[in-house]
Amino acid sequence: QKEVEQNSGPLSVPEGAIASLNCTYSDRGSQSFFWYRQYSGKSPELIMFIYSNGDKEDGRFTAQLNKASQYVSLLIRDSQPSDSATYLCAVNSDAGNNRKLIWGLGTSLAVNP
Amino acid sequence: GAGVSQSPRYKVTKRGQDVALRCDPISGHVSLYWYRQALGQGPEFLTYFNYEAQQDKSGLPNDRFSAERPEGSISTLTIQRTEQRDSAMYRCASSLAARLAGGLDTGELFFGEGSRLTVL
Repeated sequence: QKEVEQNSGPLSVPEGAIASLNCTYSDRGSQSFFWYRQYSGKSPELIMFIYSNGDKEDGRFTAQLNKASQYVSLLIRDSQPSDSATYLCAVNSDAGNNRKLIWGLGTSLAVNP
Repeated sequence: GAGVSQSPRYKVTKRGQDVALRCDPISGHVSLYWYRQALGQGPEFLTYFNYEAQQDKSGLPNDRFSAERPEGSISTLTIQRTEQRDSAMYRCASSLAARLAGGLDTGELFFGEGSRLTVL
């Protein structure tokens, strides 16, 4: 059974702080890793994707991937109240299809003004 | 259309009835996915299509669930003889196929707002 695990939270950080969200996955063959943000009552939207080991930065967001440890994380710098949402980690479950995903339960983030 | 459109947004039905959920993907998107999301959970893969061909239906829970995309655009997910355990948010997502996405394939899925099914 392929699994993706996340701490459900809630993770609470003050405005301006760094929020660190973590995810582990069980399938060593996974090649594509995604972070989606989901506001309450809304649909998921892509924040970051990462395919290679190391760090990938996009604005205030940094994704970190360590395939040896089967670990992917998302850092949000200078957290804003508008970042308050559930963050879903998703990993491809099919080597030939990076859109067929296994999803974690999500981590709820609250950024306090 | 501008985004993925799903209908109905809300459906309440009695146990044993059949329901049909519709998805209209982003124009030009080759791939269409159906996911199911229970409250407080991540999405769960059900099935997907490239054009009109159903590529993978391994996530469909049982034979009461079926999906079609006859003309390679709009898709319908049908649940026959609904049961209370079928209650969930059903989400459709569309995507360009990887080979059409160009040199940088983000693998992005564009989700609709979902159809919330409640079986009484």
